[in-house]
Amino acid sequence: GQQVMQIPQYQHVQEGEDFTTYCNSSTTLSNIQWYKQRPGGHPVFLIQLVKSGEVKKQKRLTFQFGEAKKNSSLHITATQTTDVGTYFCAGRNTPLVFGKGTRLSVIA
Amino acid sequence: EAQVTQNPRYLITVTGKKLTVTCSQNMNHEYMSWYRQDPGLGLRQIYYSMNVEVTDKGDVPEGYKVSRKEKRNFPLILESPSPNQTSLYFCASSLQASGSYEQYFGPGTRLTVT
Repeated sequence: GQQVMQIPQYQHVQEGEDFTTYCNSSTTLSNIQWYKQRPGGHPVFLIQLVKSGEVKKQKRLTFQFGEAKKNSSLHITATQTTDVGTYFCAGRNTPLVFGKGTRLSVIA
Repeated sequence: EAQVTQNPRYLITVTGKKLTVTCSQNMNHEYMSWYRQDPGLGLRQIYYSMNVEVTDKGDVPEGYKVSRKEKRNFPLILESPSPNQTSLYFCASSLQASGSYEQYFGPGTRLTVT
């Protein structure tokens, strides 16, 4: 079945450093979604990418969808302690398939 | 307030004692789903429902049952819980299964089976 691989599994950064997580699918995706889960919380939707090569920004977060619609990335510029959590990508087919997530730790 | 609710939030039980975790959404969503989250394994889908009376297996359905008699409710049933079902469970819903619809997650239910 469809698989969505996400790397790295963990990332520790100093506050102010940049962070990137990558998501790769074994099949072409109709679209991709990104979620954030704060420690002790539940996943919360961040954004959805639909078009090949699409790039979207939310303040310090930049999301990209690959040309072949098989990969995606989330880049955070100048991390802050509020960015701590686990970031999941989810490939939009039916049913939705989640990557295992990247847990981000930010050291102040 | 638009939300997905789950009950109970925490549950400690013993092997073999049947239990039900309830899930309810007030957004008139067609699609509902159950996930379990375990360290290092991410979110794994247990069952999903495209609409009332329509359910299907996800990646890890063994040991679980679901029903969708009403649009708003999607209970998860463990007929005979075992310790390997100790996990954090999330219910989620979205407007529809296909297309560009975000999933709304409930607060989670932490289940311990001894």
